[in-house]
Formats: sequence, C-alpha cells, structure tokens
Amino acid sequence: GIQVEQSPPDLILQEGANSTLRCNFSDSVNNLQWFHQNPWGQLINLFYIPSGTKQNGRLSATTVATERYSLLYISSSQTTDSGVYFCAVNRKGAQKLVFGQGTRLTINP
Amino acid sequence: NAGVTQTPKFQVLKTGQSMTLQCAQDMNHEYMSWYRQDPGMGLRLIHYSVGAGITDQGEVPNGYNVSRSTTEDFPLRLLSAAPSQTSVYFCASSWTGGYADTQYFGPGTRLTVL
Repeated sequence: GIQVEQSPPDLILQEGANSTLRCNFSDSVNNLQWFHQNPWGQLINLFYIPSGTKQNGRLSATTVATERYSLLYISSSQTTDSGVYFCAVNRKGAQKLVFGQGTRLTINP
Repeated sequence: NAGVTQTPKFQVLKTGQSMTLQCAQDMNHEYMSWYRQDPGMGLRLIHYSVGAGITDQGEVPNGYNVSRSTTEDFPLRLLSAAPSQTSVYFCASSWTGGYADTQYFGPGTRLTVL
C-alpha cells in the first residue's frame, strides 16, 4: 500500500517562531489533507490540498504532487498551535485515507 | 449542524464482552468510516461505507463488524473485546470516498479492554 512519512517526528519551538512540516508519499494521490489534533484529541481539518498552495491565516500548505510531497507552514507560532499534525492521503483509484505517523509540535511561551 | 457525533465518549470493557460504538452525522454525507488511533501512531482505517447498505474493509478490520442501514448512522460492533482493541476510535464522514473532499471527524471514543 501507499506509504506516508512525516518529518520531523517532534518539534519544540518558542512562541513566535516559524515552522515547516513535511509529508512524503510513495504513490500518486488524488487527495491530501492536513489535520491538527489538539491536546484534547479532537481532529481538525486544516487543508484539503491534493496539489497547489493554499493559505489560511498563519497557516499555509503546498503540495507538489509530481514530486510526491507536501509542506505545512506555520508562521508566528502560538501556544494554541501545539498538538499533533497529521498528513493523510488517498491513492488514486482507492477510497481509503492513509495517515502518516504525525509531527508532534510543542510551542513554549 | 451537529456534524459527526460519537457515543459513548469513554468505555471500559472486560475481555470477551461485546459492545457497539455509535456514530451519526447530519450532513447527508454518503461516505463514512471508522479509524482507530493507538498511542504515538497515526489513524488506521477499520471499515468504511460509501452509502447505505454498502460497507467494505479497511486496513485493520479483524474483530470488528459494521452495517449501514441509513445514511446518517454507521455503528461499529466489537463482537468479543480483546485487550488489543484498547484504543481511541474515531468516526469520520465526507461527501465522496475521501478521494475528492474533506473528511470530518467525530470527537472520538476512548475504549479500554481489561
């Protein structure tokens, strides 16, 4: 099946810093989503981005489908950005989202 | 809209007991799915449904049953609980089979099997 690798596994930053999270995938996809799991366990959809670039406030994401990777940028980090960020993809022809292992982000005040 | 709701929030079972985790959505989504999340890991797909009356297996289906009699509801049944099924269970829904749109997740059910 398709492999999804996220890096780094852990990231600790001070408030106000910028960060880049990466998601590599091993096959062609027709869906890629970024999720934030907050410390209470709730999964929040950040971006649906099978290709191209999107921005939402301090967050932006870019997917280069031909090179099989996606990047999530967080600027001016806040403590509320802490949690685990997951990338999930759907291989072309399938109907199953496959998740990466996640990047645990800790923002210290 | 309530979105995706799950009950119960917490459950403790003894080995061999059975139970049903409930999932409902009010967005008229055709696609619904169940995932489990183990500590330090991403989510793994258990079962999914592309519409009422249609279900299929995901990555880790053993020990779980599902049915989809209505568009709104997608219950997950544990037939004979085992300690290996201790996990957090998430239900999700979307318009299509997850291949063309956003997945919406419920709040999760934390299950402990003793």
